[in-house]
Amino acid sequence: AQSVTQLDSHVSVSEGTPVLLRCNYSSSYSPSLFWYVQHPNKGLQLLLKYTSAATLVKGINGFEAEFKKSETSFHLTKPSAHMSDAAEYFCVVSVTWHTGFQKLVFGTGTRLLVSP
Amino acid sequence: NAGVTQTPKFQVLKTGQSMTLQCAQDMNHEYMSWYRQDPGMGLRLIHYSVGAGITDQGEVPNGYNVSRSTTEDFPLRLLSAAPSQTSVYFCASSYEGVSTDTQYFGPGTRLTVL
Repeated sequence: AQSVTQLDSHVSVSEGTPVLLRCNYSSSYSPSLFWYVQHPNKGLQLLLKYTSAATLVKGINGFEAEFKKSETSFHLTKPSAHMSDAAEYFCVVSVTWHTGFQKLVFGTGTRLLVSP
Repeated sequence: NAGVTQTPKFQVLKTGQSMTLQCAQDMNHEYMSWYRQDPGMGLRLIHYSVGAGITDQGEVPNGYNVSRSTTEDFPLRLLSAAPSQTSVYFCASSYEGVSTDTQYFGPGTRLTVL
């Protein structure tokens, strides 16, 4: 079964330093992968998605992720953290339900803390 | 466009009460779904719809009903609320229903069942 594993439940960085949020996937074929962000008491917003067109995917707010098939990873990075990046981040894979419906399977989330 | 809207934002129910969580989208999306978010478990699919008049069960459908009479609306009904249904509920919609499709989420409804 397809799944994603987020390797860190919490990541703490200082403002202006790089961000790395780690995600490994399990899939027997090329998956569709996403990163979503959830700010406190807010809904889920798409940061970026991998659809096999390019292994390096650029998203909103300076985030990017690299799909590495050899490592089954899809880590999220940002060169310089901003206070407004503090939120929960979810790595997500699209899975074909038995009826054909494309459902999203979420990782357990990584809470990013940014200190001044 | 308002995108995906959900009401109410917060709700407290007593065990056994019923209620309807509302979800609407103005993007003319055919595909809509309901997820629940519980601590440490990510989001799980409750019910989904692939168009007006067509709904089906997801991973955790027990205790919930849905209907889809219009393209825009996809309400979720709790028939007899239980404490195990305390959760944050998200509605989502998408256009094509393929694996690469972006799903748009509403702001969520935080439900507490006492």
